[in-house]
Amino acid sequence: SAVISQKPSRDICQRGTSLTIQCQVDSQVTMMFWYRQQPGQSLTLIATANQGSEATYESGFVIDKFPISRPNLTFSTLTVSNMSPEDSSIYLCSVYDEKLFFGSGTQLSVL
Amino acid sequence: DQQVKQNSPSLSVQEGRISILNCDYTNSMFDYFLWYKKYPAEGPTFLISISSIKDKNEDGRFTVFLNKSAKHLSLHIVPSQPGDSAVYFCAASGNAGNNRKLIWGLGTSLAVNP
Repeated sequence: SAVISQKPSRDICQRGTSLTIQCQVDSQVTMMFWYRQQPGQSLTLIATANQGSEATYESGFVIDKFPISRPNLTFSTLTVSNMSPEDSSIYLCSVYDEKLFFGSGTQLSVL
Repeated sequence: DQQVKQNSPSLSVQEGRISILNCDYTNSMFDYFLWYKKYPAEGPTFLISISSIKDKNEDGRFTVFLNKSAKHLSLHIVPSQPGDSAVYFCAASGNAGNNRKLIWGLGTSLAVNP
């Protein structure tokens, strides 16, 4: 099973700033994803991080707000840009290796 | 509109007894269902899954039952142990074998009391 390291584990940010979340996998994986879980809500897929090309975003999510990098098959970053309190959420990196594996998540609070 | 519903936000069970967590779905195109468990400060971990061609799948203390006509599935944990205390998420997919895009329930918080 894939082992995923995600950091930071938590952060408190000011409105209008940006935060970049990193995800490192211990093996090469083709499919890597970013999820969000807002308070009281279910997990929602933000985008699929594609190696060497632009990420594929789900409905309701745009690249300007959530730019994603995927420079290789073991690493990806998600940036939450121009943050507002509505972005306060848990952000999760996941990979598909016969099943979905998740990182430990980033608890983001925006003041 | 929640396509996957876990109507019980929490459940408390005595150690050694059975825990039953329920999940309902509305989309008849869903054909693959999964349960994930999540401890605080950790990401969800895969527990058990079931394809729509089956009505039961068992793995040790964990059994998932699927009732397609009722669009209902349940996770049974027998016997329940304190270490099972966690949030349990039900998830569904519309493409058998391609569970890239999962639709998730809100989760049920299970507390197993010693």
